[in-house]
Amino acid sequence: GQNIDQPTEMTATEGAIVQINCTYQTSGFNGLFWYQQHAGEAPTFLSYNVLDGLEEKGRFSSFLSRSKGYSYLLLKELQMKDSASYLCAVVEGDKLIFGTGTRLQVFP
Amino acid sequence: DVKVTQSSRYLVKRTGEKVFLECVQDMDHENMFWYRQDPGLGLRLIYFSYDVKMKEKGDIPEGYSVSREKKERFSLILESASTNQTSMYLCASSLAREAFFGQGTRLTVV
Repeated sequence: GQNIDQPTEMTATEGAIVQINCTYQTSGFNGLFWYQQHAGEAPTFLSYNVLDGLEEKGRFSSFLSRSKGYSYLLLKELQMKDSASYLCAVVEGDKLIFGTGTRLQVFP
Repeated sequence: DVKVTQSSRYLVKRTGEKVFLECVQDMDHENMFWYRQDPGLGLRLIYFSYDVKMKEKGDIPEGYSVSREKKERFSLILESASTNQTSMYLCASSLAREAFFGQGTRLTVV
């Protein structure tokens, strides 16, 4: 079975940095995705990690520690448009399993 | 650009009707998935397919079936729609480091 945990909600201020954590317990780990989802829209791909370490992509970075079953998404220089849900998803074998997501609100 | 296209954006069906949700991808991806998304529950996996004619149950397959006759197309079937199947349905396709979603179908069963 699988268990993926993320905080339900977070708030942050425009221009700040926020870290969204994801812990997981799965068998047959084959990678981890982060997605962004605005209300009423489909999720859009942000990052993919399969090896330990940090992957940086502009203002967004994602980190993975396989031994700890832990990942985080780091958002820098927050903008109002970053207000969205952020979904952590683990590849278990051929399956793609999602956490319940973290709703981030960015305030001016 | 990867394209995952779902046949309808919004759909209203009556209880007991047979409902087909279609998903087509144009990137030759092996794996395709059907999820439903409900408030507070996140995305829950209904079925997935890793090859033509191959299918695997996800976490909530009851009341649903799927069909994958061609690599690019993955259909979700509600044999007899019920009100508790009112939801947002999302199709995704993936290969290795990529996984992309369709725009979603908001299904209302009345």
